[in-house]
Amino acid sequence: DARVTQTPRHKVTEMGQEVTMRCQPILGHNTVFWYRQTMMQGLELLAYFRNRAPLDDSGMPKDRFSAEMPDATLATLKIQPSEPRDSAVYFCASGLVLGQQNNEQFFGPGTRLTVL
Amino acid sequence: AQSVTQPDIHITVSEGASLELRCNYSYGATPYLFWYVQSPGQGLQLLLKYFSGDTLVQGIKGFEAEFKRSQSSFNLRKPSVHWSDAAEYFCAVVPARAGTASKLTFGTGTRLQVTL
Repeated sequence: DARVTQTPRHKVTEMGQEVTMRCQPILGHNTVFWYRQTMMQGLELLAYFRNRAPLDDSGMPKDRFSAEMPDATLATLKIQPSEPRDSAVYFCASGLVLGQQNNEQFFGPGTRLTVL
Repeated sequence: AQSVTQPDIHITVSEGASLELRCNYSYGATPYLFWYVQSPGQGLQLLLKYFSGDTLVQGIKGFEAEFKRSQSSFNLRKPSVHWSDAAEYFCAVVPARAGTASKLTFGTGTRLQVTL
């Protein structure tokens, strides 16, 4: 049963600490997305990758957030230093995009981050 | 810029009653359209999608949606709601043009409550 996995599922940290969230996309998918969900802003796209290369990270605060794909099976989202306003649920999604064909995105269960 | 509007923040229906969740989009051309469902504490699951062709699309869990170009709408329907359908529902769009990277824009969501 192929699915997107995310770790950790929950993270509580103190302001100023570094936070790293990990995502394992579905094997064979070539596109990985990071979303953030809050009550106030809803679902926002932070960044996404195609074939491990960043395509768009305009939704991400550059001064503290960074996203990488060290290899095809791992995507990371890092916040350093973290702030209380970063408290949210962070979702990873993966999909397979071939030419003009757009297939669905498969979402992971999310990482619930609380910054105190 | 493209946008998605879900005018109903919260809807309550009785089990067995019919359901319609509204979604309107604003975009220069017909985008690809999606409905996702999010159960509490879970990630998003795709219910159905519209790319082209028949404007009435069938999805999982007995849901269907109808694309109406003249109204820029993609409303989600279910003839008889089950208590397990209580969740949050998101409409999403992505540009339907060559080279698109499946960058979804989500609506703000509609929370469905089902009474017994």
